[in-house]
Amino acid sequence: DTEVTQTPKHLVMGMTNKKSLKCEQHMGHRAMYWYKQKAKKPPELMFVYSYEKLSINESVPSRFSPECPNSSLLNLHLHALQPEDSALYLCASSQDYGYTFGSGTRLTVV
Amino acid sequence: GQQLNQSPQSMFIQEGEDVSMNCTSSSIFNTWLWYKQDPGEGPVLLIALYKAGELTSNGRLTAQFGITRKDSFLNISASIPSDVGIYFCAGRTGNQFYFGTGTSLTVIP
Repeated sequence: DTEVTQTPKHLVMGMTNKKSLKCEQHMGHRAMYWYKQKAKKPPELMFVYSYEKLSINESVPSRFSPECPNSSLLNLHLHALQPEDSALYLCASSQDYGYTFGSGTRLTVV
Repeated sequence: GQQLNQSPQSMFIQEGEDVSMNCTSSSIFNTWLWYKQDPGEGPVLLIALYKAGELTSNGRLTAQFGITRKDSFLNISASIPSDVGIYFCAGRTGNQFYFGTGTSLTVIP
């Protein structure tokens, strides 16, 4: 299995909702990442987990809460989001060299 | 984070033409990567480069790791309509990757 799987593919949520994004990989990669991407812009790093420990938090607002339950899973919990948080959220994993990206979750906050 | 400057920002070319784009940084990187992203999808790795001066091909794609380790180049030969998309370079240092600003490629049949 050489894929990173993200669910759901699309999500529409209200500003008072709580939702979660999920990411799964079975390549044995020990680093996993969350990125936020606006249209036609490069991905912006949000969080890095290394060996299931949060190693980098790029000053992301607390309404985004990451979780790494085990070496294969990465979650992003969402609460009280703003319309400007609407974007494509990408998960990636890596081992030694390049990233493998998931196909993303298209999030719309209404 | 670090900014990688990618140029050109966009390209409109005729099918069959060759394409060149590049990525420059003020910092040295140990690895350079080139990704292609289709609308609504995640980036897909095209080519990875691991040492200065390295020239690597993947089908019609050729990429080079600059001698100074501060730049990289991607060439696409004989473009076809499915080459349309946004191309991102990325430089790696340690466990972090930094993305270029992207080159949007449009291929006119």
